[in-house]
Amino acid sequence: AQKVTQAQTEISVVEKEDVTLDCVYETRDTTYYLFWYKQPPSGELVFLIRRNSFDEQNEISGRYSWNFQKSTSSFNFTITASQVVDSAVYFCALSEANTGTASKLTFGTGTRLQVTL
Amino acid sequence: KAGVTQTPRYLIKTRGQQVTLSCSPISGHRSVSWYQQTPGQGLQFLFEYFSETQRNKGNFPGRFSGRQFSNSRSEMNVSTLELGDSALYLCASSLAGEPGNTIYFGEGSWLTVV
Repeated sequence: AQKVTQAQTEISVVEKEDVTLDCVYETRDTTYYLFWYKQPPSGELVFLIRRNSFDEQNEISGRYSWNFQKSTSSFNFTITASQVVDSAVYFCALSEANTGTASKLTFGTGTRLQVTL
Repeated sequence: KAGVTQTPRYLIKTRGQQVTLSCSPISGHRSVSWYQQTPGQGLQFLFEYFSETQRNKGNFPGRFSGRQFSNSRSEMNVSTLELGDSALYLCASSLAGEPGNTIYFGEGSWLTVV
């Protein structure tokens, strides 16, 4: 069965520090998709990135970057020069192609990021 | 382009009552899925609807049900509410619910059962 582990429950950093959020996943499927979402206190899950299992290319979007490594089943997320507005809970999620629907996401437990001045 | 819209945002119900939550997906999206988020269990998949048909269901009791209308709008219903049903209920939509589709979430409905 699929599983997503986010071992870091809470991380506190000072503004402008770099921070990496870890995500380790388990799946038997060869085709799968990995996601990162940000959840501010309002509750909405804000989509950040989607990566499919065949694309191991790292991605950078502004201050955000993602490192996908199939060899270690990890999909880590780095925020460079963190800002107070980055404070939120971040979720890593997995969907498998063989579930009959790609809308069934398995989420990790989330990492709460606190960025202070 | 409007995002996923959920109503109501906040509600308080009494044990034993029932509740209906509504979700309007992003325009053009035909797949709607529902998730429950609690501090103890985290984010859990409830069910997914596509073209008015339930396509997948999570491990929840039959008190949790849903439906989708021809305009892709969806509702979920929880009957005989229990205290443990207190949670944030999130609706998500995607173009067709196919592998590779991006899944977008609404702001959620905060349900408190007293």
